[in-house]
Amino acid sequence: DTAVSQTPKYLVTQMGNDKSIKCEQNLGHDTMYWYKQDSKKFLKIMFSYNNKELIINETVPNRFSPKSPDKAHLNLHINSLELGDSAVYFCASSQLWAGTGVARGRTGELFFGEGSRLTVL
Amino acid sequence: QKEVEQDPGPLSVPEGAIVSLNCTYSNSAFQYFMWYRQYSRKGPELLMYTYSSGNKEDGRFTAQVDKSSKYISLFIRDSQPSDSATYLCAMVEGYQKVTFGIGTKLQVIP
Repeated sequence: DTAVSQTPKYLVTQMGNDKSIKCEQNLGHDTMYWYKQDSKKFLKIMFSYNNKELIINETVPNRFSPKSPDKAHLNLHINSLELGDSAVYFCASSQLWAGTGVARGRTGELFFGEGSRLTVL
Repeated sequence: QKEVEQDPGPLSVPEGAIVSLNCTYSNSAFQYFMWYRQYSRKGPELLMYTYSSGNKEDGRFTAQVDKSSKYISLFIRDSQPSDSATYLCAMVEGYQKVTFGIGTKLQVIP
């Protein structure tokens, strides 16, 4: 039973198109993320949502818009795709540190999906 | 200077060798330190998790943290071909922000 699943796994599209990637987690986690892994394998955070609220928004072009309809889902929509957007996009989830001395999970322990490989031609 | 520096390799070792993987960092605010393993065409998975200076052992894997030198290491004993993967160090500051190293690609040759 897949913990973090994302679709599609592969996406090939033309420059200028709009595309979406969907992510779902069944771990009951509070926090979900989008990471981008470029051709050099560098994994960089894009967005983080906690209970549908945006908490991390790194320097990402406005063409990228995340949406979290509920805490189990985080989708990524990309407008006007560019060649430089070609990468593997990973969805991840984690349980948030309670901050009250009661640990509900280890800060930074991320559970990743298998990735969505986007190729822009 | 990047916050986290890691040699991308590739690193090739014979089966049974001891492997040493390292990262240095510059941000004193990092509190938690992890190693993730990523097989080809898969997502990273957590391998080791530490939050204090010193050593932590789990089977053939030992994670070492030296906060005074801002240096972390992962040692793999009796390396196996199944250990062939990319190993990413990762560090956390504050509110869930995880910063990854670029990853070291390891190949263990039978």
